[in-house]
Amino acid sequence: GDSVTQMEGPVTLSEEAFLTINCTYTATGYPSLFWYVQYPGEGLQLLLKATKADDKGSNKGFEATYRKETTSFHLEKGSVQVSDSAVYFCALSRRAGGTSYGKLTFGQGTILTVHP
Amino acid sequence: GAVVSQHPSRVICKSGTSVKIECRSLDFQATTMFWYRQFPKKSLMLMATSNEGSKATYEQGVEKDKFLINHASLTLSTLTVTSAHPEDSSFYICSARDDRETGNTIYFGEGSWLTVV
Repeated sequence: GDSVTQMEGPVTLSEEAFLTINCTYTATGYPSLFWYVQYPGEGLQLLLKATKADDKGSNKGFEATYRKETTSFHLEKGSVQVSDSAVYFCALSRRAGGTSYGKLTFGQGTILTVHP
Repeated sequence: GAVVSQHPSRVICKSGTSVKIECRSLDFQATTMFWYRQFPKKSLMLMATSNEGSKATYEQGVEKDKFLINHASLTLSTLTVTSAHPEDSSFYICSARDDRETGNTIYFGEGSWLTVV
């Protein structure tokens, strides 16, 4: 079945440091890939997404590129801020337009803490 | 952007009672909604797929009779935890797929904290 593997955390960085959170997936066909962020005590917010190979999703300084050859969707940010402290989830869904689209498989989540 | 609202955001109930959580799509129709459960400091586990006008599809290991799902309209799905026990305490979160679009974002609700005492 489908699966998503994220790098284990927690990740602790100083403000303005470079961030990478690795994510790899296993799925048949051409899934859509997502990064979601969860702030303490809150629900999930979509951070970015990519629906086909070589697509780059970006938002709020975060980027991730859909790499089919390596089945990866690593999250990066050039300069993190204290406000980026949260839990980050990588997820996949079956291809857009299919009946299973929206049924998300999540990675285990990575806790990011950014210190001033 | 599209909004999905969950209610209540927090609920405390006594052991043995039932509690209902609502998931509403506020500005779009959603034939399909999804219910997830999240344990503390853990990832989200899909419980079931809620389909308007038909029975929900439950994931393996999820008790259908314990977690009743009703999707009676195109904008509302409900999850009822029946005969709740302390081990049902968790964060429950729903998501909805916009019927108008084939490849767009899946919108999540804010989640509902359930504590069974």
